[in-house]
Amino acid sequence: GAVVSQHPSRVICKSGTSVKIECRSLDFQATTMFWYRQFPKKSLMLMATSNEGSKATYEQGVEKDKFLINHASLTLSTLTVTSAHPEDSSFYICSARGERGHGYTFGSGTRLTVV
Amino acid sequence: AQSVTQLGSHVSVSEGALVLLRCNYSSSVPPYLFWYVQYPNQGLQLLLKYTSAATLVKGINGFEAEFKKSETSFHLTKPSAHMRDAAEYFCAVTLGGGATNKLIFGTGTLLAVQP
Repeated sequence: GAVVSQHPSRVICKSGTSVKIECRSLDFQATTMFWYRQFPKKSLMLMATSNEGSKATYEQGVEKDKFLINHASLTLSTLTVTSAHPEDSSFYICSARGERGHGYTFGSGTRLTVV
Repeated sequence: AQSVTQLGSHVSVSEGALVLLRCNYSSSVPPYLFWYVQYPNQGLQLLLKYTSAATLVKGINGFEAEFKKSETSFHLTKPSAHMRDAAEYFCAVTLGGGATNKLIFGTGTLLAVQP
């Protein structure tokens, strides 16, 4: 079945630094990648949608300069949290989708803690 | 815009009892509906999905859901709960099978299974 690998699973960084999270589709070409943020005991909030080779589409209220998304190839998308602050601490999950009819496959998530 | 509402943020059942997790949707066009399960600090695993074919959908781990257009519902059921079913469950909706269609989640239901 379709597999999406997300790394790192956990990261702790200092306030003001940047953190990159990778999401790779291992056995299919991910035409579209979705990035979600999940607060403790809360649902998943869609942050942005990215298509390979084009700029990401951000949801309302999500700072595009804060959360940089790159989808340079059909198997890799990255989310970079720039100048991280404690309020950026959260669980980030990616989801990848291939051509029409392919389901949504989720990564295992990244727990970001900013200290 | 489409949305889903999950009634009951917490549901507790005894082992062996019926599991019923409620989900109602709102969509201006025929939706695709999904149920996902999430274990602590992990990504999401697809339980089942409705994509306009059979209204009664059978998924993994003994779960099933029925699409009822008249009630705009897609409730998740399992005849007999097992301890390993304790987890967070999310209902989600999207508009059709397009690769770029966003998946919108409900607020989740935490299922507890008592011995």
